Amino acid sequence: DVVMTQSPVSLPVTLGQPASISCRSSQSLVNSAGNTLLNWFQQRPGQSPRRLIYKVSDRDSGVPDRFSGSGSGTDFTLKITRVEAEDVAVYYCMQSAHWPWTFGQGTRVEIK
Amino acid sequence: EVQLVESGGGLVQPGGSLRLSCAASGFSFSNSWMTWVRQTPGKGLEWVASINEDGSDKYYVDSVKGRFTFSRDNTKNALYLQMNGLRGDDTAVYYCARGWGAIWGQGTMVTVSS
Repeated sequence: DVVMTQSPVSLPVTLGQPASISCRSSQSLVNSAGNTLLNWFQQRPGQSPRRLIYKVSDRDSGVPDRFSGSGSGTDFTLKITRVEAEDVAVYYCMQSAHWPWTFGQGTRVEIK
Repeated sequence: EVQLVESGGGLVQPGGSLRLSCAASGFSFSNSWMTWVRQTPGKGLEWVASINEDGSDKYYVDSVKGRFTFSRDNTKNALYLQMNGLRGDDTAVYYCARGWGAIWGQGTMVTVSS
């Protein structure tokens, strides 16, 4: 199975400051069609997960442009340019390139 | 409105069975891969199973193979997860989702305990 490793586990951030979350996979996430299938999810307290980013860098409809995804191969990053109070959540990466799909362990973003 | 609504969760004894349902609306259900993901209390997310558009292709995480069956009825815009031989480590909130997680339901809690 593809192991997804996120860092850090916890990320205290000052409001208005940037935040960056790393996600590394144990093997390439390029599928047979040549697409890199790495997704990012946000789960606010008490809510269902919500997808923010798919295929490394494509933002879902309605997602603020302060969220961006980047990376290639086995090394990926989710960035928030200026953290707002509503961004307090746990963030997960997930690969859908290989069965079984696997998630990272999550990164908790909190306000300092 | 785009929506997924799960139902069927509850308390069941070890070795018992449950059938989860997921009702879809507001999008092209019959043209969508669909997925179940679970989340143990206070823990992370685990992909459980996915099914293709017409139900002919299914994938499962190893821990549920042979015990869980994923099916769909495109005439009713509905998904089903038949769970047999339930174990304590199946205790979780079960979410249905569209494809790679573009849309999620609110989840239904399954508790396996004597």
